[in-house]
Amino acid sequence: AQSVTQLDSQVPVFEEAPVELRCNYSSSVSVYLFWYVQYPNQGLQLLLKYLSGSTLVESINGFEAEFNKSQTSFHLRKPSVHISDTAEYFCAVSGSYGGSQGNLIFGKGTKLSVKP
Amino acid sequence: DADVTQTPRNRITKTGKRIMLECSQTKGHDRMYWYRQDPGLGLRLIYYSFDVKDINKGEISDGYSVSRQAQAKFSLSLESAIPNQTALYFCATAGTGGETQYFGPGTRLLVL
Repeated sequence: AQSVTQLDSQVPVFEEAPVELRCNYSSSVSVYLFWYVQYPNQGLQLLLKYLSGSTLVESINGFEAEFNKSQTSFHLRKPSVHISDTAEYFCAVSGSYGGSQGNLIFGKGTKLSVKP
Repeated sequence: DADVTQTPRNRITKTGKRIMLECSQTKGHDRMYWYRQDPGLGLRLIYYSFDVKDINKGEISDGYSVSRQAQAKFSLSLESAIPNQTALYFCATAGTGGETQYFGPGTRLLVL
């Protein structure tokens, strides 16, 4: 079984400042890792994912996350945030094979609030 | 047009009523999922289906049932709605490998 902990429920930050949203997971099997974003009054959109290969993955809008197996973490970072990044961000994990593959376990979410 | 659609988008109902939430997809995916989202709790899996003949309970299936009418359609029913089923409900789909799930816009349900 897998579980996900998002260490901060809310993160306020000023525009153009860097941000890190923290995510730790636990699993007895190899994992896939995901970050989803939910803009106000919308559904979830995939932001980025780690399946295999390079441990550093990037999104098209400047976010990146690094898979750290030894620390069981998948923190999300952006060097300079915009007002439009205001949203709730969810970290999720699934097993990479067998019956747990494809079944996502979500963290409780981190609300990023970018202030001018 | 959206790849994953949910109807209705908003619904208000009364305790004890039976309601159905519907999900349709045009992505050609085999796997479909129903989640509920509650503030501060993230998303929790209710039911999932890997194909038309395969239905599985998720973490919180009590009080819910599902029907996979076709590859493209997956419905969630509340047989007798209760107030603590007030939540935002999401449908999602994924291909055979299941690595990435694609979400619908959600149905906001209020049970009075």
